[in-house]
Amino acid sequence: ETGVTQTPRHLVMGMTNKKSLKCEQHLGHNAMYWYKQSAKKPLELMFVYNFKEQTENNSVPSRFSPECPNSSHLFLHLHTLQPEDSALYLCASSQVAESSYEQYFGPGTRLTVT
Amino acid sequence: AQKVTQAQTEISVVEKEDVTLDCVYETRDTTYYLFWYKQPPSGELVFLIRRNSFDEQNEISGRYSWNFQKSTSSFNFTITASQVVDSAVYFCALDHNYGQNFVFGPGTRLSVLP
Repeated sequence: ETGVTQTPRHLVMGMTNKKSLKCEQHLGHNAMYWYKQSAKKPLELMFVYNFKEQTENNSVPSRFSPECPNSSHLFLHLHTLQPEDSALYLCASSQVAESSYEQYFGPGTRLTVT
Repeated sequence: AQKVTQAQTEISVVEKEDVTLDCVYETRDTTYYLFWYKQPPSGELVFLIRRNSFDEQNEISGRYSWNFQKSTSSFNFTITASQVVDSAVYFCALDHNYGQNFVFGPGTRLSVLP
């Protein structure tokens, strides 16, 4: 595997379900990110993990819970979601240093909440 | 506050035409980075270019070129001799915090017709 992978690619869940999205990066980067992309809004940064420590949480509801067990893996645990949470969830990684480097994105998980 | 504006929501051109995608940004920082990404129908964002605020040289890569003008806070992207495979949504992004706070524009959907 190369780059950034995400599973599953598609997920349909009810509002009472619990599910998890998985992201894995094979680029040796030290930072990972979750973004939400919905039809009527720009890409929204949800969470940032830098050296496995969460450094940003942009006012994301608690029904989204991230986990970063190591610098290569990132999870997004979902529970009691709302229909408005239906969106494309993108994972990205980058190398954080004394400059700003580009983020590399996975293919996304298309989430539908029914 | 940081902001990225892409005023063109959708553009349609006929193959082989040149097309310019506009990007205007707002930031109070003197050090910042600008990016362009391409999102084809498959969903994955593909990195195209990174520029730092101290480098105003224009860049050309094949049919792609970028024009960075600090005086007008713009970072425009031109595709020369467009091809159908260029059809995608293009995002401009701004970062001032070593990748920790990417701000994306709303994107421009480019359709290249055969």
